[in-house]
Amino acid sequence: GAVVSQHPSWVICKSGTSVKIECRSLDFQATTMFWYRQFPKQSLMLMATSNEGSKATYEQGVEKDKFLINHASLTLSTLTVTSAHPEDSSFYICSARGQGAQETQYFGPGTRLLVL
Amino acid sequence: GQNIDQPTEMTATEGAIVQINCTYQTSGFNGLFWYQQHAGEAPTFLSYNVLDGLEETGRFSSFLSRSKGYRYLLLKELQMKDSASYLCAVMDSNYQLIWGAGTKLIIKP
Repeated sequence: GAVVSQHPSWVICKSGTSVKIECRSLDFQATTMFWYRQFPKQSLMLMATSNEGSKATYEQGVEKDKFLINHASLTLSTLTVTSAHPEDSSFYICSARGQGAQETQYFGPGTRLLVL
Repeated sequence: GQNIDQPTEMTATEGAIVQINCTYQTSGFNGLFWYQQHAGEAPTFLSYNVLDGLEETGRFSSFLSRSKGYRYLLLKELQMKDSASYLCAVMDSNYQLIWGAGTKLIIKP
């Protein structure tokens, strides 16, 4: 399968700081990237969908001003958690999909965020 | 609304076979996906079915029969490392993936 990387894998930060997470498709061009959040022992929750070169589409209940998404190229999307608070502590996972809408989503390894 | 139903938890014995079912109510159907997620890790892709039939990858098989209502993931010759959550996801008419909550599979020696 295709390879998707995420960086960093772990982040510990103080409340009020901003954290940027990168998602890269290493061996294919990702027209669409997805950002998920998963709390312990809970389901994956889709936060937003981003298409290269356009604004992200956020799911209901996800604050777009708090979770800034940029998909500037076909291999890179970033998620910035602005003014992070302890309740933002979670496992953030990106996935990437090629040009076909029916193509498989491949996941990055995830980023664990702990806000103190 | 759209929803995916799968068992919350299943237990099986090492070396045995287990079948994980998935039922769905979605607006349209553009394929059914199975992912494996080990505790603390991101999901990894297992299989994709859009036409009726069987998809096999090693010890794992996924079967789809829309007319008969069968949609399941079959794991054979279970190994301890197969202990994980198995996520069923359906792509709807808008090509959005609708996710199930996952089935936690516990393998006992």
